[in-house]
Amino acid sequence: GQSLEQPSEVTAVEGAIVQINCTYQTSGFYGLSWYQQHDGGAPTFLSYNGLDGLEETGRFSSFLSRSDSYGYLLLQELQMKDSASYFCAVRSGNRDDKIIFGKGTRLHILP
Amino acid sequence: SAVISQKPSRDICQRGTSLTIQCQVDSQVTMMFWYRQQPGQSLTLIATANQGSEATYESGFVIDKFPISRPNLTFSTLTVSNMSPEDSSIYLCSVEDLDRWNNEQFFGPGTRLTVL
Repeated sequence: GQSLEQPSEVTAVEGAIVQINCTYQTSGFYGLSWYQQHDGGAPTFLSYNGLDGLEETGRFSSFLSRSDSYGYLLLQELQMKDSASYFCAVRSGNRDDKIIFGKGTRLHILP
Repeated sequence: SAVISQKPSRDICQRGTSLTIQCQVDSQVTMMFWYRQQPGQSLTLIATANQGSEATYESGFVIDKFPISRPNLTFSTLTVSNMSPEDSSIYLCSVEDLDRWNNEQFFGPGTRLTVL
């Protein structure tokens, strides 16, 4: 079977740094993506890792280790507006195969 | 990027009836997906709808229950047939352009369905 594991909830303080981990088990691998979803909103794309290493986009960074089937999303200088659910997602096979979403991590930010 | 609209945004329906959800994209896209999401839960893929071919359904979802149309590269519909309260959920349309290198999917605002 195919599965993605990520923590169900994480709590951090405003201004701090938080890391959300994701491990995956799939029959193939084409890339790891991260999405953000605020309550009542649609998921929005944050980042993509097709190769090992770190990708940085402003306050957000994403890391991938294909040998470990592991990745993480790093959020720096946390702001209250970052309170949301974060989903890792994996395309398991070819470029036109479906994307599988993890169960999501609810990020709570304390003032 | 792609801008996606869905109709209706929400509906309350009676058991046994059917609802058709429309998804309109502002540009031509190759891949279109329909998801279901319970509040606070993950996204569950119902089916992939590519223009010019039959929709591909995921395990647990069948065409008789969730018929899908994809008449062109900017539009699709999902029908939830013979509804029961278990079908109450948020239904999301999503698109992806295979020409984009980063696997980015764009999501519509969703249709919140409540079945009584």
